[in-house]
Amino acid sequence: GAGVSQSPSNKVTEKGKDVELRCDPISGHTALYWYRQSLGQGLEFLIYFQGNSAPDKSGLPSDRFSAERTGGSVSTLTIQRTQQEDSAVYLCASSLPGTSGGVTQYFGPGTRLLVL
Amino acid sequence: QKEVEQDPGPLSVPEGAIVSLNCTYSNSAFQYFMWYRQYSRKGPELLMYTYSSGNKEDGRFTAQVDKSSKYISLFIRDSQPSDSATYLCAMSRSQGGSEKLVFGKGTKLTVNP
Repeated sequence: GAGVSQSPSNKVTEKGKDVELRCDPISGHTALYWYRQSLGQGLEFLIYFQGNSAPDKSGLPSDRFSAERTGGSVSTLTIQRTQQEDSAVYLCASSLPGTSGGVTQYFGPGTRLLVL
Repeated sequence: QKEVEQDPGPLSVPEGAIVSLNCTYSNSAFQYFMWYRQYSRKGPELLMYTYSSGNKEDGRFTAQVDKSSKYISLFIRDSQPSDSATYLCAMSRSQGGSEKLVFGKGTKLTVNP
């Protein structure tokens, strides 16, 4: 079956521009996570969506970062006024909640963002 | 101190060797311990997860958790060149979603034919 998909796979932008990154989770997965993977920092949690509950935004590094999830499915991560330190791989994951499902997060291939 | 520490390596072994990968952590609230494998330019994929202390075996892979020492390990027996990847440990406090995974930085493993 189809896994988690992300687009674009690569994005090069200029400092100060806004970017939007898209994630399509596995069908039926109600939980969706965004992580950032940068050199020397490993994978860092950004934001979590679960059903209709308020998202957990505790990992967003600044107010330039925001995310939404429409219709409980597709999610968009937006970075405004990009900075060079935003360059990283942005990974999306989805999972089923409940017993044994919550820890099994399925990751997409990521979007590689380069801010010049 | 970071919540999860993992030696980034790199680690290079000959084919057939036993590989030991380790992580330490500081947050005693962690209950679920996971190992992910990430090939170059791909997303991480879950290898195994363990709840609380103990061992879990799956084929050539064995995961161990020692909560008293806050130390987890992944052993790979009869390592193969296809095992060459970055291995990430991850932890969470609960399994019911709503809990972010906290990752180590990953250990890059190369298995030489």
